Amino acid sequence: DIQLTQSPSFLSASVGDRVTITCRASQGSCSYVAWYQQKPGKAPKLLIYGVSTLQSAVPSRFSGSGSGTEFTLTINSLQPEDIATYYCQQLDIYPRTFGQGTKVDIK
Amino acid sequence: EEELVESGGGLVKPGGSLRISCAASGFTFSTYRMDWVRQAPGKGLEWISSISFSSSFIYYADSVKGRFTVSRDNAENSLHLQMNAVRAEDTAVYYCARDGAVDGARALNIWGQGTLVTVSS
Repeated sequence: DIQLTQSPSFLSASVGDRVTITCRASQGSCSYVAWYQQKPGKAPKLLIYGVSTLQSAVPSRFSGSGSGTEFTLTINSLQPEDIATYYCQQLDIYPRTFGQGTKVDIK
Repeated sequence: EEELVESGGGLVKPGGSLRISCAASGFTFSTYRMDWVRQAPGKGLEWISSISFSSSFIYYADSVKGRFTVSRDNAENSLHLQMNAVRAEDTAVYYCARDGAVDGARALNIWGQGTLVTVSS
């Protein structure tokens, strides 16, 4: 199985800050990495797929990058509505594992 | 509007069974792979199962293999998860989700609102 490790697990930043979340895979070379945003009490929402493709209607301040075993989600200019937990997922092989999540808060 | 709506959650005793369902609308259900993902209270997301559009290719997480069975009825636009021999650790919100690979986006791009399954005596 591919284990995904996200860092940090929690971060607090100010409105307007640039925020970066890292997702590291335990093995292999992933091509199908997705990022999701989940707000409390809500279902996850797809932000990024295929490592770096922005899902339709997602604000352009969100971006994804990376290759091989290391991937990042960047939020340029953090907004109050971005308070949420963010998860990476690999869909290259089964089981389709998720990272443990990164909770983002506003200072 | 493309939509997934889960149903059938509730309280079940350890060792018991429960069947949860997911109704799809607003898209051609029969062409998409579908997944189940769960989230225990206060915990992260856990992928548990995936079924291809034709039901020919099915995968499970080790945590549910041999106890849970995924199925679909393309004529009824519905997805099901039969949960047997449930344990306390199966307590979670269960989400169905659509894999957008057929559209060039291999990711879970549509999610239901979730249904809560509680395993307790």
